[in-house]
Amino acid sequence: GENVEQHPSTLSVQEGDSAVIKCTYSDSASNYFPWYKQELGKRPQLIIDIRSNVGEKKDQRIAVTLNKTAKHFSLHITETQPEDSAVYFCAENTPLVFGKGTRLSVIA
Amino acid sequence: NAGVTQTPKFQVLKTGQSMTLQCAQDMNHNSMYWYRQDPGMGLRLIYYSASEGTTDKGEVPNGYNVSRLNKREFSLRLESAAPSQTSVYFCASSRQGISGNTIYFGEGSWLTVV
Repeated sequence: GENVEQHPSTLSVQEGDSAVIKCTYSDSASNYFPWYKQELGKRPQLIIDIRSNVGEKKDQRIAVTLNKTAKHFSLHITETQPEDSAVYFCAENTPLVFGKGTRLSVIA
Repeated sequence: NAGVTQTPKFQVLKTGQSMTLQCAQDMNHNSMYWYRQDPGMGLRLIYYSASEGTTDKGEVPNGYNVSRLNKREFSLRLESAAPSQTSVYFCASSRQGISGNTIYFGEGSWLTVV
C-alpha cells in the first residue's frame, strides 16, 4: 500500500534560520502532495500543496519542492518565526496518506 | 459557514460501550473522511466516502463502522469500544475525492476508553 516516510521527527531551529522537512513516497502514481500544519490542540490546516506536473511552488516564506524521479518532496520554511512552531505533516494523494509528522520548534 | 462540525468534542467510554461520532459539513463537498491521530503515528485513515452512497475502508478500519447519511453527514460508530481506540478523531471533507483537492478538518473529538 501507499507509504510516506517523513524526516526528521523533531527539528529545532533558531529564529530567522531556515527549516527543511523531507518526505519520501512509494507509489509512483501519486500526483498530489500537500503539507499541513497542526498547532497544539488544534486541527491540521493546509499550508501549501504541489501537484506532480510542477517541480516547485512558493508562498511567501514557504516553499515545496518535488522530485518525481527520486519520489521525494520537501517543505522549506525561510526566516522562521516563533509562530512557525507546530507539527507539520506531509501527505500524498487522495484519500490522503500522511507522514508521521515533524515537530518544529523555533527558538527565539 | 461552519465548515466541518463534529460532535462530541470530548467523551469517556467504558470498555464494551458503543457510541457514534457525528460529522457534518456545509461546504457541499462530495467526499468525507474519518481519521484517527495517536502520538507519533500521524493521521491514519479509518474510513472514507468518496461520494454520497459509497464508503470504503482506509488503513485502520477494524472496530469501526460508518454511515454516509446524506451528502452533508458522515458518522463513525464504535460498536464495542476498546482501550486501543483511545485517540483523537478527526472528520474531514473535500470537494472531490480523486483529483486531490484540499481537505478540511473538523476540530477533533477526544475519546478515552477506560
